[in-house]
Amino acid sequence: DVKVTQSSRYLVKRTGEKVFLECVQDMDHENMFWYRQDPGLGLRLIYFSYDVKMKEKGDIPEGYSVSREKKERFSLILESASTNQTSMYLCASALWDRAYEQYFGPGTRLTVT
Amino acid sequence: TQLLEQSPQFLSIQEGENLTVYCNSSSVFSSLQWYRQEPGEGPVLLVTVVTGGEVKKLKRLTFQFGDARKDSSLHITAAQPGDTGLYLCAGEGGGSQGNLIFGKGTKLSVKP
Repeated sequence: DVKVTQSSRYLVKRTGEKVFLECVQDMDHENMFWYRQDPGLGLRLIYFSYDVKMKEKGDIPEGYSVSREKKERFSLILESASTNQTSMYLCASALWDRAYEQYFGPGTRLTVT
Repeated sequence: TQLLEQSPQFLSIQEGENLTVYCNSSSVFSSLQWYRQEPGEGPVLLVTVVTGGEVKKLKRLTFQFGDARKDSSLHITAAQPGDTGLYLCAGEGGGSQGNLIFGKGTKLSVKP
């Protein structure tokens, strides 16, 4: 079975802090994704990566950056956290040629105070 | 802009009842996926439908892709409390591969 793990289930940070969210997958998937999920807005794509060191912006990249130095690891960085970044963050991975069949991690619930 | 509209938003039923949830769009999708998400967890992929008119069964769950590939439905027979969760449909958006568009989901509660 595909396993996608995220570094924290719950995280509380202060406004202005730099926040790192890490995601690791163990199935050698080429594609990795970061989403946020908010009530009434559903899942929205922040960034995705189709290869090491490659990244593409999703629908809502503002205020976020990403890093993919190794195939299995994809990090989401909030350079200066703000209260409107309080959300559930979900990481996903997928095979190169089946990018629409995504396997999700358990999520990180981030609260910015 | 491609959108996926899911209905109903909320559904509360008794164990043993049947139900259908819908996923509709004015756009054509090359494939649609259905996911189930339990509270506090990430979505889990249930099925992918690719061909117009396709029907797939997963135990008590039946998924159908519309002939025109603009809509899909999920039918659950004899619902059980373990079916409780948020059901999401998703389709490939335009542009880069893997750019999925998600519906907002149907929140199902099955009471024993």
